[in-house]
Amino acid sequence: DGGITQSPKYLFRKEGQNVTLSCEQNLNHDAMYWYRQDPGQGLRLIYYSQIVNDFQKGDIAEGYSVSREKKESFPLTVTSAQKNPTAFYLCASSIGIGVEQYFGPGTRLTVT
Amino acid sequence: KNQVEQSPQSLIILEGKNCTLQCNYTVSPFSNLRWYKQDTGRGPVSLTIMTFSENTKSNGRYTATLDADTKQSSLHITASQLSDSASYICVVSARDNNAGNMLTFGGGTRLMVKP
Repeated sequence: DGGITQSPKYLFRKEGQNVTLSCEQNLNHDAMYWYRQDPGQGLRLIYYSQIVNDFQKGDIAEGYSVSREKKESFPLTVTSAQKNPTAFYLCASSIGIGVEQYFGPGTRLTVT
Repeated sequence: KNQVEQSPQSLIILEGKNCTLQCNYTVSPFSNLRWYKQDTGRGPVSLTIMTFSENTKSNGRYTATLDADTKQSSLHITASQLSDSASYICVVSARDNNAGNMLTFGGGTRLMVKP
């Protein structure tokens, strides 16, 4: 998991509530990413950030929001607008765009 | 549309046996291909990375091959161990400055090694 932490490991929420997932890295990486993983499917990019105070939508950004106020931190908020929020969420970081990404341990979110 | 297909979807083998996992891709323009190992409930960890000019690369008991002409890659695991039980994900990178479509992930092959 090398220097990227995600918390909590498991998260349970009621439908209609917003929830924020934490991602911190001490690798001095400029780029950070959020992915969603569903059973039997490949990882899908939610949001990414190339530098502080900048972020871009990925393939499935609807119902999610992010911020990048510090280089080390890239929190993801799952809003009540996300239709199917239950999933395994992975955060990653890389030195720059196009190089190897290092993944965190993931957060499993269950919404009932 | 960039796609990465992996097969088989799941595989069960006995400890000590060899196995080969397949990855076919339609990603263009191709930059590199990585194989990741993902233990259950954990983040993926990189095993190998291969560029266009590389045909074979080994990492211990893991050997990856790449055929850029047919757009196929394989991951061969030799003398499997119980700790090899995991999902193996093929990830193909396109040459692009936009990280949004930089990586395309396969759905993974779930490998179970039984004693």
